[in-house]
Amino acid sequence: GAVVSQHPSWVICKSGTSVKIECRSLDFQATTMFWYRQFPKQSLMLMATSNEGSKATYEQGVEKDKFLINHASLTLSTLTVTSAHPEDSSFYICSARGGRSQETQYFGPGTRLLVL
Amino acid sequence: QKEVEQDPGPLSVPEGAIVSLNCTYSNSAFQYFMWYRQYSRKGPELLMYTYSSGNKEDGRFTAQVDKSSKYISLFIRDSQPSDSATYLCAMSEDSSYKLIFGSGTRLLVRP
Repeated sequence: GAVVSQHPSWVICKSGTSVKIECRSLDFQATTMFWYRQFPKQSLMLMATSNEGSKATYEQGVEKDKFLINHASLTLSTLTVTSAHPEDSSFYICSARGGRSQETQYFGPGTRLLVL
Repeated sequence: QKEVEQDPGPLSVPEGAIVSLNCTYSNSAFQYFMWYRQYSRKGPELLMYTYSSGNKEDGRFTAQVDKSSKYISLFIRDSQPSDSATYLCAMSEDSSYKLIFGSGTRLLVRP
């Protein structure tokens, strides 16, 4: 139980294009989903918290117009990187809170984004 | 000072050794403590979850929390090469469940 999937697993795009990443909780309903980014050999940095049906809460320094988050259902959240630039290249990971243990987060496998 | 401190390693041990991984923290409001394992280019996998102080054991893994010292540990017995990964501690307060991560310790178990 508590499986979270992400799609795509990796994406390469040209500078200036937008990229959408999906995060799904497969066997439980996620009351809250989180989006992180991780640079090589560094820890996870929380970008935003999203609750189903409401606006996402962004961490300080994260541009909400740049990283659009939509949490349309209890099993799906999407992160759209708008007008991507090379500095947005990173490993993006989502997590979902819910299922049997409300206090823990279950992570997706991550999406590697490379912006050329 | 970071909220959560974790030695980045790398920590190299022979197969079969007992591994000790640790984190210290400064926020006394943390109540939930977790250990995640992350293989290269993969998402973190939850290993252990502990509420408040005490010990918890699951197979070869034992998690300890000492809130008075603001110190948590993860012990791995009979370590295997497949345990080679980065281990992240994470913790949260009651209210927000927002996880604060350590920087991760890279572990290498030599055959």
